[in-house]
Amino acid sequence: NAGVTQTPKFRILKIGQSMTLQCTQDMNHNYMYWYRQDPGMGLKLIYYSVGAGITDKGEVPNGYNVSRSTTEDFPLRLELAAPSQTSVYFCASSYGGGRTDEQYFGPGTRLTVT
Amino acid sequence: DAKTTQPTSMDCAEGRAANLPCNHSTISGNEYVYWYRQIHSQGPQYIIHGLKNNETNEMASLIITEDRKSSTLILPHATLRDTAVYYCIVRPENNNDMRFGAGTRLTVKP
Repeated sequence: NAGVTQTPKFRILKIGQSMTLQCTQDMNHNYMYWYRQDPGMGLKLIYYSVGAGITDKGEVPNGYNVSRSTTEDFPLRLELAAPSQTSVYFCASSYGGGRTDEQYFGPGTRLTVT
Repeated sequence: DAKTTQPTSMDCAEGRAANLPCNHSTISGNEYVYWYRQIHSQGPQYIIHGLKNNETNEMASLIITEDRKSSTLILPHATLRDTAVYYCIVRPENNNDMRFGAGTRLTVKP
């Protein structure tokens, strides 16, 4: 199993540009998550999904959109990039999302908006 | 939701036990304590979790006080590869929103 994979690894965007961060998992997990991590800080949840066709907001959803058309894929869309969105983005997945459920994280996408 | 307090940084000698404390004095009775770590620039890695009883796995041990207001993660024989930021997280009621704080930066020294 490849686990959770993310593309691209690095990206530089100009203010106002759009992009999609890709995330794929091959563990047949139901739950998937997007986090962002600013320098020196912990991770903050942006959006999550409990299954195909179902998504919900996390702690910091503004400026982002998600979709979940398949179990494997959970792309994150930035429509109008802003410098405040400069961060490292991590995708994660878990089997059931319960209290005893561990999350598996991808390697991250480092995004710079200038 | 419950919050956690961890020291900003700690050092440990290679081969010795690393004991990482965490305070979670407002934890609810049905909330679990989770530990993750993040090795430089990588995605976080699950270590262990517990509710009331002490837990042990191949990576670490978790000691939770009887009143559940604090816990300690123990790496029994720290190696240089254990240098990382360690996050103590209390899992909130909604199950899906893990709140990562700043964590403890553990440096294992030769």
